[in-house]
Amino acid sequence: EIVLTQSPGTLSLSPGERATLSCRASQIFTSNYLAWYQQKPGQAPRLLIFGASNRATGIPDRFSGSGSGTDFTLTISRLEPEDLAVYYCQQYVSSPITFGQGTRLEIK
Amino acid sequence: VQLVQSEPEVKKPGSSVKVSCKVSGGTFNSYALSWVRQAPGQGLEWMGEIIPIFGITNYAQKFQGRVTNTADESTSIVYMELSRLRSEDTAVYYCASYELGRRRLPPFFFQSWGQGVLVTVSS
Repeated sequence: EIVLTQSPGTLSLSPGERATLSCRASQIFTSNYLAWYQQKPGQAPRLLIFGASNRATGIPDRFSGSGSGTDFTLTISRLEPEDLAVYYCQQYVSSPITFGQGTRLEIK
Repeated sequence: VQLVQSEPEVKKPGSSVKVSCKVSGGTFNSYALSWVRQAPGQGLEWMGEIIPIFGITNYAQKFQGRVTNTADESTSIVYMELSRLRSEDTAVYYCASYELGRRRLPPFFFQSWGQGVLVTVSS
């Protein structure tokens, strides 16, 4: 099973700043089958990024994904108060599907 | 596509629960449906999936023998039944979908999610 480790556990930033969230895999990905989700308090997760760098429908271009191999990054430029959430990465390279433990983004 | 899940459940330890997820706004057989759970204050855990058009089910090893995913094409509803419940199964259970396209074999990512259903296991 592929283990995904996200860092940092919690990120506290101000509106307008840039957030950089990391997701590291325990095995090298031969294909960039990595997705990112946003989960706001009390809500279901929402797909942000798939294929490591492709934005899902309706996702603002402030959200971008990058990376390959074992290291992947979600970048949120120009933070807004509504970006308060927990962000999860998920691999779909091999079964079982696994998620990272999440990064909590706090907006000061 | 919209995924609408059933109502919250309260169950006794050792019993079973069956939750549902109705698929609307799309062609039922165009989707793979997974179940993902989230214990209180915890992260996301994939339990298994069903691909109705292929009649395929896959389950995480952790839940093998305890979970069963089924689909009713006539009503566009998928079900997840979890047996031998214990207190650690208290969680919000989400159904999540992937629209089959160029990628038709699992595993998948999830384009849409249901609202979640809280299952509480307590004596």
